[in-house]
Amino acid sequence: DTEVTQTPKHLVMGMTNKKSLKCEQHMGHRAMYWYKQKAKKPPELMFVYSYEKLSINESVPSRFSPECPNSSLLNLHLHALQPEDSALYLCASKGQGGSEQYFGPGTRLTVT
Amino acid sequence: AQSVTQLDSHVSVSEGTPVLLRCNYSSSYSPSLFWYVQHPNKGLQLLLKYTSAATLVKGINGFEAEFKKSETSFHLTKPSAHMSDAAEYFCVVSENSGYSTLTFGKGTMLLVSP
Repeated sequence: DTEVTQTPKHLVMGMTNKKSLKCEQHMGHRAMYWYKQKAKKPPELMFVYSYEKLSINESVPSRFSPECPNSSLLNLHLHALQPEDSALYLCASKGQGGSEQYFGPGTRLTVT
Repeated sequence: AQSVTQLDSHVSVSEGTPVLLRCNYSSSYSPSLFWYVQHPNKGLQLLLKYTSAATLVKGINGFEAEFKKSETSFHLTKPSAHMSDAAEYFCVVSENSGYSTLTFGKGTMLLVSP
């Protein structure tokens, strides 16, 4: 099973709201990733977690706050977002045996 | 440093005709190379991967890619396009070190007409 799940599928939030995106995998992968993808562009890496520890933060604004509560779950907490943060947010995971990443279906976020 | 160039932003084919999506890469190390497909409003699906074993790689849905080190290319092919192949395709390189971060090409949109 190479499935990564993400909830919710769609999210509309105002600039003063607080919301969270969730990602889950049960493949035993110990590396998990958050990406942001704008329309007609490739995904851009935001964060990398390795063994539940934040390993890479690609200079992402503090209004995005990642959390890895256990080896299967990855959250992205959102607060005081801007309209330009509207995008598809993708989660991915990677096992130890290879370098390919497995992506979830994404959360389509709209900030109003 | 590594980089990926997808030579065509759009490719249009007729159903039943061959598909060729072109990709060139640059890497300081012995890389892993991937093709991912993304249908509208969906996540990325791994089509195939090259990891220094056979240079001709077979993937899902009839796709293949050939790794040519001398040409630094990893072109994606399919003998006969199907309407369901219409999607965005990303060529991706990873340097097999550290956290294996991925470097994406800009993508090629494949359009398939009846």
